[in-house]
Amino acid sequence: KQEVTQIPAALSVPEGENLVLNCSFTDSAIYNLQWFRQDPGKGLTSLLLIQSSQREQTSGRLNASLDKSSGRSTLYIAASQPGDSATYLCAVYGSGGSNYKLTFGKGTLLTVNP
Amino acid sequence: DAEITQSPRHKITETGRQVTLACHQTWNHNNMFWYRQDLGHGLRLIHYSYGVQDTNKGEVSDGYSVSRSNTEDLPLTLESAASSQTSVYFCASSETGTYGYTFGSGTRLTVV
Repeated sequence: KQEVTQIPAALSVPEGENLVLNCSFTDSAIYNLQWFRQDPGKGLTSLLLIQSSQREQTSGRLNASLDKSSGRSTLYIAASQPGDSATYLCAVYGSGGSNYKLTFGKGTLLTVNP
Repeated sequence: DAEITQSPRHKITETGRQVTLACHQTWNHNNMFWYRQDLGHGLRLIHYSYGVQDTNKGEVSDGYSVSRSNTEDLPLTLESAASSQTSVYFCASSETGTYGYTFGSGTRLTVV
């Protein structure tokens, strides 16, 4: 059974700091990996999707990398802002191109202090 | 604009009652999913569907059922609500071949 772990569970940083969120998974036979953001009381918003043939994806101040062989992904946030405060969730797709189910980590609660 | 909507946003029900949570998407996505989110457990898959008349059990399907009679809707039914089913429920959809997920805003269900 696939298990996804996110470290740290919570992180508090001052505004402007660069930070890294970590995600690890036990079964390296995943297809794709996706990072989401969740604001309190809201649904999930997709941030970055790393497909099976890719090693990283970038969107603005966000960069996500994927190393399947070691079972790890990182989400790098540059020049953090108070508006980045949210819970960040890592999720992996099962193996095989037709498997669209996600297994989620428990998330990292990020607080960026002004 | 295309969207995915869940209703109701909040519901309180009594133990033993049947409850149905609605999910409606206008993305014309083939794939639809129900997840529950609980403190300490994260999001867990309840049921999913890859098309009309197709339904499958997820990780925590006991006590829940779904049906898919059209592309747009995947209602989630709690046959006999239990306090352990107090949770926040999220519906999501995705298109075959693209892998991007769209989530609804969630339904907070309290079983008393």
